[in-house]
Amino acid sequence: GQQLNQSPQSMFIQEGEDVSMNCTSSSIFNTWLWYKQDPGEGPVLLIALYKAGELTSNGRLTAQFGITRKDSFLNISASIPSDVGIYFCAGFYFGNEKLTFGTGTRLTIIP
Amino acid sequence: GAVVSQHPSWVICKSGTSVKIECRSLDFQATTMFWYRQFPKQSLMLMATSNEGSKATYEQGVEKDKFLINHASLTLSTLTVTSAHPEDSSFYICSARVDTGDQPQHFGDGTRLSIL
Repeated sequence: GQQLNQSPQSMFIQEGEDVSMNCTSSSIFNTWLWYKQDPGEGPVLLIALYKAGELTSNGRLTAQFGITRKDSFLNISASIPSDVGIYFCAGFYFGNEKLTFGTGTRLTIIP
Repeated sequence: GAVVSQHPSWVICKSGTSVKIECRSLDFQATTMFWYRQFPKQSLMLMATSNEGSKATYEQGVEKDKFLINHASLTLSTLTVTSAHPEDSSFYICSARVDTGDQPQHFGDGTRLSIL
């Protein structure tokens, strides 16, 4: 099945640093979603974006819906240990029902 | 609200046995549920869309006779991995479509399947 290109694939940062990751698609979406997955658990929604150009924040997280509707980025400011995990973007197109997931970004915080 | 429960969370069984995984919507009715498979260090890949009262729709490359899906009620979908083999070992995640709220699907916590 189709997957969205997500970069970087992995990140190794120190606590307190800011993080930025992005997701690109060859097709447009009506909705962009960002999830975090901890080991052995299902994905948990972080931010949902519904409109091209939209910039939305959730605490230290900020995400934007690209103006072309084919990309999105997620920023995490002042990272903390509990930010460790895998982050997935997902695109959704009304009428299709299916979510298309990105390849994931694994975030590791170096002590 | 919109809680999805998956059971069991972890199962280990011998090669050749069949394994059933349940996905329940606890506080809402779900006419559509989805089954995903996730291999280590990979993303979620959709296996099939489960519709209440009708046959599931399988993604290309997923064997419908191998992965039996039943969605007999508005709150329960089951995935049965028939004659499981070691290559079927994976993390299986279900989700349920939600028509209201902030996201189109709510996810269960996944089932780790290990075939010996």
